[in-house]
Amino acid sequence: QVQLVQSGAEVKKPGASVKVSCKASGYTFTGYYMHWVRQAPGQGLEWMGWINPNSGGTNYAQKFQGRVTMTRDTSISTAYMELSRLRSDDTAVYYCARDLRYYYDSSAFDYWGQGTLVTVSS
Amino acid sequence: QSALTQPASVSGSPGQSITISCTGTSSDVGGYNYVSWYQQHPGKAPKLMIYDVSNRPSGVSNRFSGSKSGNTASLTISGLQAEDEADYYCSSYTSSSIVVFGGGTKLTVL
Repeated sequence: QVQLVQSGAEVKKPGASVKVSCKASGYTFTGYYMHWVRQAPGQGLEWMGWINPNSGGTNYAQKFQGRVTMTRDTSISTAYMELSRLRSDDTAVYYCARDLRYYYDSSAFDYWGQGTLVTVSS
Repeated sequence: QSALTQPASVSGSPGQSITISCTGTSSDVGGYNYVSWYQQHPGKAPKLMIYDVSNRPSGVSNRFSGSKSGNTASLTISGLQAEDEADYYCSSYTSSSIVVFGGGTKLTVL
């Protein structure tokens, strides 16, 4: 069965960086785009971008351009999202989510990781 | 890119039907058939309920249905059940090749 297992909670100081991992299993990792979505406490969902695990190509939301880097390691079926220059309003649960369609960005997410809480506090 | 507009809350009694709207523009909802709906229970990850405006993933109850007219998409839940109480989010692909979400709607089952 498809599973996305994310790394554990992080506490960071303002200005630092955080790198969240998302280990995939149960399907062909390189066949499906991986998206990242975050949710601040008590707030709605916010799309951050995607990575094509096959090519390594990325597409980031303009809001995060210059601060976010999405990468992957196909040898261990793991995607990563690194966010730099953290601010207090980056405090959120960060989710990885698999795209629904094979080799295509359909912008629908059928499997989600359990979420990783990133807390930014001095 | 602005978020899609959803009502903050809707409510209904068990057995009733409710509809949640999701309003965007011709650059997102109105321009593409890539509208999705997600259900999120407190403390849980979102769950895909509808994709491509009106398609249900395997395992999702047929009490959930989606539609679109112009720049507004809708999620209808019929035969409301207690376990349907959750937050619901719409999303759409946009002309900027990004995804935008709605602000979310809290469904209360009375």
